[in-house]
Amino acid sequence: GAVVSQHPSRVICKSGTSVKIECRSLDFQATTMFWYRQFPKQSLMLMATSNEGSKATYEQGVEKDKFLINHASLTLSTLTVTSAHPEDSSFYICSANPGTEAFFGQGTRLTVV
Amino acid sequence: AQTVTQSQPEMSVQEAETVTLSCTYDTSESDYYLFWYKQPPSRQMILVIRQEAYKQQNATENRFSVNFQKAAKSFSLKISDSQLGDAAMYFCAYRSAEYGGSQGNLIFGKGTKLSVKP
Repeated sequence: GAVVSQHPSRVICKSGTSVKIECRSLDFQATTMFWYRQFPKQSLMLMATSNEGSKATYEQGVEKDKFLINHASLTLSTLTVTSAHPEDSSFYICSANPGTEAFFGQGTRLTVV
Repeated sequence: AQTVTQSQPEMSVQEAETVTLSCTYDTSESDYYLFWYKQPPSRQMILVIRQEAYKQQNATENRFSVNFQKAAKSFSLKISDSQLGDAAMYFCAYRSAEYGGSQGNLIFGKGTKLSVKP
């Protein structure tokens, strides 16, 4: 199947700093990628839809200025958590659909201390 | 808006036995996809099985099968001959077919934690 690679898998950062998470489609081109957030023991909630060459679409309640998304190529989308705070600590997962099936990255566990 | 409901937060099954996980959904669309994803402790999302709404035949993948009742908007997952490796969180998910094959995000249920007893 298709491969979506996400890095880093774990990151710890200090409060107030920024963290960048990368999501790559390794063997297919993805004009659209999705970013989800998953709190402990909860489901995946869509944060934003990343569109290659255009602005991302954010879900209601997601701060655009805090979660910056860049989809500069057909194989790479990045999520930057700016001025991170402890409440931003969570598990972030990206996905892309080469066809009807969605493929997910390995996820990034972000801890803000 | 579409919603997905999993009413069983936790389920338990004896090894080699059969278990059924429930999922209902709400939509006004006629064409869509339904999925079951497995999330083990590694948290990697793994596709278990998928169903196209236009297909009447229930999907089957080895020990995994679904009971798709379109009119009732029900999509249950049956795991036969349960194995220890089946222990994980299982998420039911919906995706609209409105945007074609590669577009559209997934809408997830809250998940069911499956335990398998040896």
